[in-house]
Amino acid sequence: IQMTQSPSSLSASVGDRVTITCRASQRISSSLNWYRQKPGKAPNLLIYAASSLQSGVPSRFSGSGSGTDFTLTISSLQPEDFATYYCQQSYSIPGTFGQGTKVEIK
Amino acid sequence: EVQLVESGGGLVQPGGSLRLSCAASGFTFSTYWMSWVRQAPGTGLEWVANIKQDGSEKHYVDSVKGRFTISRDNAKNSLYLQMNSLRVEDTAVYYCARVGVTGTMWDYWGQGTLVTVSS
Repeated sequence: IQMTQSPSSLSASVGDRVTITCRASQRISSSLNWYRQKPGKAPNLLIYAASSLQSGVPSRFSGSGSGTDFTLTISSLQPEDFATYYCQQSYSIPGTFGQGTKVEIK
Repeated sequence: EVQLVESGGGLVQPGGSLRLSCAASGFTFSTYWMSWVRQAPGTGLEWVANIKQDGSEKHYVDSVKGRFTISRDNAKNSLYLQMNSLRVEDTAVYYCARVGVTGTMWDYWGQGTLVTVSS
């Protein structure tokens, strides 16, 4: 299953609302996770099963979608959110990732 | 606190071997699936292998089948990845990751260990 994210990169300011989309090459129900990866660090799980917030993750992160189209929204961008975001399908093995969306400071 | 600490990375020539280890703590290791996920320099993430709680079931990405072996020692709370016949394209940071209770996501990751395959 191929996962395609858009955009590949974006520039935004602290406090902005940011939306990242992920499209699967076939229907994957709600089997979609989102991760944030800060430079030089391991990925961090944000959202699982398309819309469930992982424990300890701030409520400014939310996820939606099902089938083939999914969205990650950051309601008010914080300094620590400047990072790369990956979607990942867990519908079938291998659990493929999208190519990533880099969120940069405007 | 859940902790996953990888070790064993380094520089190896093409065709060589390397064994990665991951020491787990802060949770009941024997009750979780575990995985290795890698990231080539400047690129995205790629799942490498999974292993079931008791080691009875294992899965691999096609590109490493027959060359890599995932294993675990629940008595030592440790996960391993034996990598043989290494190729230049295996160069990456290798992360140890815990599979969450729903079995569908990686909820904790180690800091990673760098494997460089080069002559």
